[in-house]
Amino acid sequence: DTEVTQTPKHLVMGMTNKKSLKCEQHMGHRAMYWYKQKAKKPPELMFVYSYEKLSINESVPSRFSPECPNSSLLNLHLHALQPEDSALYLCASSQEAGPLGEQYFGPGTRLTVT
Amino acid sequence: GENVEQHPSTLSVQEGDSAVIKCTYSDSASNYFPWYKQELGKGPQLIIDIRSNVGEKKDQRIAVTLNKTAKHFSLHITETQPEDSAVYFCAVLWGSSYKLIFGSGTRLLVRP
Repeated sequence: DTEVTQTPKHLVMGMTNKKSLKCEQHMGHRAMYWYKQKAKKPPELMFVYSYEKLSINESVPSRFSPECPNSSLLNLHLHALQPEDSALYLCASSQEAGPLGEQYFGPGTRLTVT
Repeated sequence: GENVEQHPSTLSVQEGDSAVIKCTYSDSASNYFPWYKQELGKGPQLIIDIRSNVGEKKDQRIAVTLNKTAKHFSLHITETQPEDSAVYFCAVLWGSSYKLIFGSGTRLLVRP
């Protein structure tokens, strides 16, 4: 089973709202990732968690706040977003954040900021 | 840092024909090269990958070849079917940071 699940599938939020995206995997993977994907572009890495600790932050604005409550769950808290933050937000996981490399993606959350 | 270039950006083939997508990379320390298929409204799906100690890998109708000396790798799809229509991304696991760096994507259309 290589399934990564994400909720919600779609989210519309105003610029003053606070919302959270959720990601879950039950493959025993110890690395989890958030990516942002704009239309017709490749995924762009935002954050990497390794063994529940933040290991990479790709200079993402503080209005995006990741959280890894346990090894199976990853959240992305959103606050005071801008319309240009509208995108597909993808979660991925891999056995470890290292040379093994194989990352499995979830279906994504389509976020629209109004 | 690592730089990945992918060509062509769009590819249209007749059902049953072969399709080839090529990627080049810059960092010779990179050693893992996956390919992802992304259908409309879905997340990227890992379809095949290759590591630097192997020159070719095949899985039914898809294959990947790697030329480490020239720093390029290619995806080959034979006997294409309409359900192969999607966007395909190559990626490189950047050796020094273990980050996946993606190519710009190829939109493949298989005409029935």
